[in-house]
Amino acid sequence: AQKVTQAQTEISVVEKEDVTLDCVYETRDTTYYLFWYKQPPSGELVFLIRRNSFDEQNEISGRYSWNFQKSTSSFNFTITASQVVDSAVYFCALSLNNNDMRFGAGTRLTVKP
Amino acid sequence: DAGVIQSPRHEVTEMGQEVTLRCKPISGHNSLFWYRQTMMRGLELLIYFNNNVPIDDSGMPEDRFSAKMPNASFSTLKIQPSEPRDSAVYFCASNLAGGDNEQFFGPGTRLTVL
Repeated sequence: AQKVTQAQTEISVVEKEDVTLDCVYETRDTTYYLFWYKQPPSGELVFLIRRNSFDEQNEISGRYSWNFQKSTSSFNFTITASQVVDSAVYFCALSLNNNDMRFGAGTRLTVKP
Repeated sequence: DAGVIQSPRHEVTEMGQEVTLRCKPISGHNSLFWYRQTMMRGLELLIYFNNNVPIDDSGMPEDRFSAKMPNASFSTLKIQPSEPRDSAVYFCASNLAGGDNEQFFGPGTRLTVL
């Protein structure tokens, strides 16, 4: 069975600080997909990134970066120079076939001015 | 392009009433998903369809819940009779099955059962 653990329930930082959101996953399959979604206070779920299990390259998109390490079953998300608009709940998710997506419990990030 | 459309956005009903939530997936997508989000249980997959056919409904909590997808552009999630513990935000999502395709989520329906 697959499982996603986001151990950090809540994180609070001051604007311009860097912050890393942790995600640890469990699966016995060799082919799987990992995702991060953002849920701002308005409630919608916004797709941020998808990674398949064969692509361990880290990715950077502006202030966002993702570190995928199969050796530790982790897919961590770093926001550099955080901004107030980054305040949201962030979900990590795992899918074996891109259909049955299992979400972590989420990490609530608060960025204070 | 229009994203996933859900209606209503908010629903308040009394215990015992029938509730119907509606979803229009993104045009061209052939998979549709219904999720429920609560504080206690987080985001849970209830059911998903592929080409209008229900593939996995193991997440549907009880027989009071049913979902249909009569065509590629419309799906409903029905709760009959509703109970206070059904209060949650219900999300619909869609994608193009196969390949590295993320799910696109609708804005959600916030259901309150009194």
